[in-house]
Amino acid sequence: GDSVTQMEGPVTLSEEAFLTINCTYTATGYPSLFWYVQYPGEGLQLLLKATKADDKGSNKGFEATYRKETTSFHLEKGSVQVSDSAVYFCALSGGGSYIPTFGRGTSLIVHP
Amino acid sequence: GAVVSQHPSRVICKSGTSVKIECRSLDFQATTMFWYRQFPKQSLMLMATSNEGSKATYEQGVEKDKFLINHASLTLSTLTVTSAHPEDSSFYICSARVSVQETQYFGPGTRLLVL
Repeated sequence: GDSVTQMEGPVTLSEEAFLTINCTYTATGYPSLFWYVQYPGEGLQLLLKATKADDKGSNKGFEATYRKETTSFHLEKGSVQVSDSAVYFCALSGGGSYIPTFGRGTSLIVHP
Repeated sequence: GAVVSQHPSRVICKSGTSVKIECRSLDFQATTMFWYRQFPKQSLMLMATSNEGSKATYEQGVEKDKFLINHASLTLSTLTVTSAHPEDSSFYICSARVSVQETQYFGPGTRLLVL
């Protein structure tokens, strides 16, 4: 079945550092890929998405590229801020399963 | 972007009572809605998938008689926790989408505390 694997957290960075959160997937068919962000005490919000190979999703300085050859969708940001502290979920939909598949989430902590 | 609301945002109830949580898609029609339970350490557990007008599909290990799901319309789904117990205390999140390839939009979550 479909699966999503994210790097274990927490990821702890200083403000203005470069961020990478790795995400790899297995799926049949041609899934869409997503990154969601969850701030403390809130639900998940869509951060960015990509619907086909080589597409790059971007939003709020974050970006991720749909890499079919490496089955990856790594999240990057050039300069993180304290306000980026949150939990980030990688997800896919429309692969072999009708049900969306989520990674376990990666907690990001950014210190001033 | 599309908006999904949940009500209530927080509820405290006594053990043995039932609690209903509403999930609404405010500006789109959702063919499918999902209910999740989120545990400490952030992992999301899918409880059930519901399509408008049909019975919900429950994930393995989720008691359908305890967690009643009704998807009455394309904009409303409800989760009723029947005879709640302290172990049901958790953060419940719903989501909605139009179709399989489309984005899931999440509600803000409902914090349930059973005393």
